[in-house]
Parts: sequence; C-alpha cells; structure tokens
Amino acid sequence: NAGVTQTPKFRVLKTGQSMTLLCAQDMNHEYMYWYRQDPGMGLRLIHYSVGEGTTAKGEVPDGYNVSRLKKQNFLLGLESAAPSQTSVYFCASADTHHQPQHFGDGTRLSIL
Amino acid sequence: DAKTTQPNSMESNEEEPVHLPCNHSTISGTDYIHWYRQLPSQGPEYVIHGLTSNVNNRMASLAIAEDRKSSTLILHRATLRDAAVYYCILGNSGGSNYKLTFGKGTLLTVNP
Repeated sequence: NAGVTQTPKFRVLKTGQSMTLLCAQDMNHEYMYWYRQDPGMGLRLIHYSVGEGTTAKGEVPDGYNVSRLKKQNFLLGLESAAPSQTSVYFCASADTHHQPQHFGDGTRLSIL
Repeated sequence: DAKTTQPNSMESNEEEPVHLPCNHSTISGTDYIHWYRQLPSQGPEYVIHGLTSNVNNRMASLAIAEDRKSSTLILHRATLRDAAVYYCILGNSGGSNYKLTFGKGTLLTVNP
C-alpha cells in the first residue's frame, strides 16, 4: 500500500525556471494538501483541495498554483521559481476534513 | 486561529513514560486537538487526536484537561524510535475549510 507518493524527491532549479510537483494518493481520500517546511520551522499550508476539481488558498499561496483534475492527484506548480521557495514540500491527504492527514516523504527543492 | 504552546525540547530515557504538554488556552468548543510527530527527514506522522474525552490508541494516550485549555500526550514506554519533533495542533471542525496549523513543536530526545 503506497499511501501518499511525491515525485520528484529532490530537484535543483535555477531562478525563473518552472516546475510541477506531483502528489498521488491511493486511499481514495477527498482532501489533499500542500505544505512547505523551512529549516527549524513547522509546516505551513500552501494550498489545499476538498475534492476533485476544487482548490483553495492556504497560509502562503503566493508564487504557487495547484490543480486537482483527478481525485488521486494534486499538482503543485511553480511558474517562476525564486530562491525564497527553496524548501521541503510535503503533500498530505485525508478522508474527511477532521480525520488524520497522511503525509508523503517530501520533495526537497533548491532554487539557485 | 487558536494557537498552541509547547516546550521547545524534552528529554527522556528509554523504556520510561514521557508526558508531552501542550497549552491551548484560546481553544474553541469545536476545535479538535491533534498530535503529529516528525522523524528526521520524514513527513509528519499522525499520532492521536481528540475533542473532549481522553483517547488511547496503539501509539499513545491523549489526556485532555477538563477545561480543554491544555492537553498531554503520553508515550507509555519511550523507545529510541520515538525520538522526533512532536506537534500539538488545533483543528477547527466547523465548515469545509478545516486546516491544521503546525507550530515549531517539541523536540523529544530519548536516551538509551
């Protein structure tokens, strides 16, 4: 049982490049989330989705876009990467809005 | 959003019980109390959650004060694998925009 799978695991980008992080879950969860974690800090919510075709802004949405075209996938896009977006990105999913969130292992993104 | 206060760090010895405190004096009546933990280089892992009554599961116990302004996560017998950052989080059950706000957590060190 894979749970929540994030790809890629590592990536180095140059300032201004674009990329998409993929999150896939095989638990048929309705809710999906994208967080970022900076050194020594807790996680901060970027965007989330309460079901297929829906997205909503979290605490730190600027510079990111998301899409939830399929229930099992939640994509996080960086249109023009900036050094301030260097971070570890975590995806999570949950069955309902107050049930436990299941997290992936993270994507370590460095922007030079 | 209601916030939580946790000690920055705690130490325990292997096979001894650990009591991790959390203060949440501004908790509202519909806020659930969640605990997650994060092992080094991994995504957060759900530990336990509750609303009013004490809760037990295979990982831990959650003791909630009668006025709900504080709670304690109890690990009955700490092992070296329990060394992690433990996050106490409030999640509001009202509406579909249910979000978890992670703070810095408590870094638990377990001594052999």
